[in-house]
Amino acid sequence: EAQVTQNPRYLITVTGKKLTVTCSQNMNHEYMSWYRQDPGLGLRQIYYSMNVEVTDKGDVPEGYKVSRKEKRNFPLILESPSPNQTSLYFCASSFYGQDSNQPQHFGDGTRLSIL
Amino acid sequence: AQKITQTQPGMFVQEKEAVTLDCTYDTSDQSYGLFWYKQPSSGEMIFLIYQGSYDEQNATEGRYSLNFQKARKSANLVISASQLGDSAMYFCAMRESGGFKTIFGAGTRLFVKA
Repeated sequence: EAQVTQNPRYLITVTGKKLTVTCSQNMNHEYMSWYRQDPGLGLRQIYYSMNVEVTDKGDVPEGYKVSRKEKRNFPLILESPSPNQTSLYFCASSFYGQDSNQPQHFGDGTRLSIL
Repeated sequence: AQKITQTQPGMFVQEKEAVTLDCTYDTSDQSYGLFWYKQPSSGEMIFLIYQGSYDEQNATEGRYSLNFQKARKSANLVISASQLGDSAMYFCAMRESGGFKTIFGAGTRLFVKA
């Protein structure tokens, strides 16, 4: 089954304790991206990756890191989480198309609470 | 800067009636893609429909159609014959030329009444 898998689905942690949210896709997609969803703000893009070893900032990259060492995986790293990073996080992937016509496939989301 | 505006935080529609969800966008790009996604209460994001900026025909996918008015920079989603299962949050999104960045609107929560 074609899917984007995020882990964990839920996490409660404390300020300053490094954490990683994993994302893996089995569709051989070149493009992967991370979003956070907050009430009234929709989804905001954190980072995206066009292919292995190629990443770039989205609109809200502060406090986050990513890496793309393999095509299928795109982990999101919070090195020193703070309460304002409490949010619902989505990983997404798609084929890469210059004409912007590729819909993204989303993971089920990770609900992160930082106390 | 690119922007997506969804002006209806919440909407009600009677079952079996049609409903239009508004979306306006702002971009200086000539080439871009517009998408609608559905988020049910279970939380997953489901792709509904796509419209390219150079497409001359409005996109349709089953009960979903996109009313694309390029000059007005609007891309409204029309759901025909609403069903109870259509109750969800709906997001309009724009993917810039080159396909890198994507921006989303704040969403519209649709309630379908029996």
